[in-house]
Amino acid sequence: NAGVTQTPKFQVLKTGQSMTLQCAQDMNHNSMYWYRQDPGMGLRLIYYSASEGTTDKGEVPNGYNVSRLNKREFSLRLESAAPSQTSVYFCASSDQGQGYEQYFGPGTRLTVT
Amino acid sequence: DAKTTQPNSMESNEEEPVHLPCNHSTISGTDYIHWYRQLPSQGPEYVIHGLTSNVNNRMASLAIAEDRKSSTLILHRATLRDAAVYYCILRDLNTGGFKTIFGAGTRLFVKA
Repeated sequence: NAGVTQTPKFQVLKTGQSMTLQCAQDMNHNSMYWYRQDPGMGLRLIYYSASEGTTDKGEVPNGYNVSRLNKREFSLRLESAAPSQTSVYFCASSDQGQGYEQYFGPGTRLTVT
Repeated sequence: DAKTTQPNSMESNEEEPVHLPCNHSTISGTDYIHWYRQLPSQGPEYVIHGLTSNVNNRMASLAIAEDRKSSTLILHRATLRDAAVYYCILRDLNTGGFKTIFGAGTRLFVKA
């Protein structure tokens, strides 16, 4: 049981390049999330998927797109990376049981130069 | 979703109890109080949650004020491994709790 996995762990992009961050969970959770965390800050929600087949914007969705590929996988795409998107990206999942406890992945550290 | 207020940092001695406060004066009746912590270079991990009554688990205790406008996370005996950023958040389960707001949290320093 790996929990929530993310790939890659580290990535450096040049301004204008595109890339996709991958996230998968093996806990059969309905809901999945993408957050970003800038240095010294809390987490900010980018997008979430309440259930398979649905996605919704969070607090900071501009510059990102998401795909809920199936129940297990939720990807985050940067179409044209900008230096302001330099951050650590965390994927999380949860189910709709008591408390809605979220399980987080280890994060992807992205640098855009 | 309602916001919370926490001190920026706190310090504790190893093997002493730690009380981490959180204010949530605009809490609604359907908001659950959750605590997460984030160890250095890791993703956040769940610690504990509650609605109205005090809660205990193997990691910590959660004390909730009678008016629910504040809560306290209690680590009974701090260890060096407890040095982390602790987040107090509210999740409104009536709306799915999806748009949870994580503030900057409280950075806990533990001295040996």
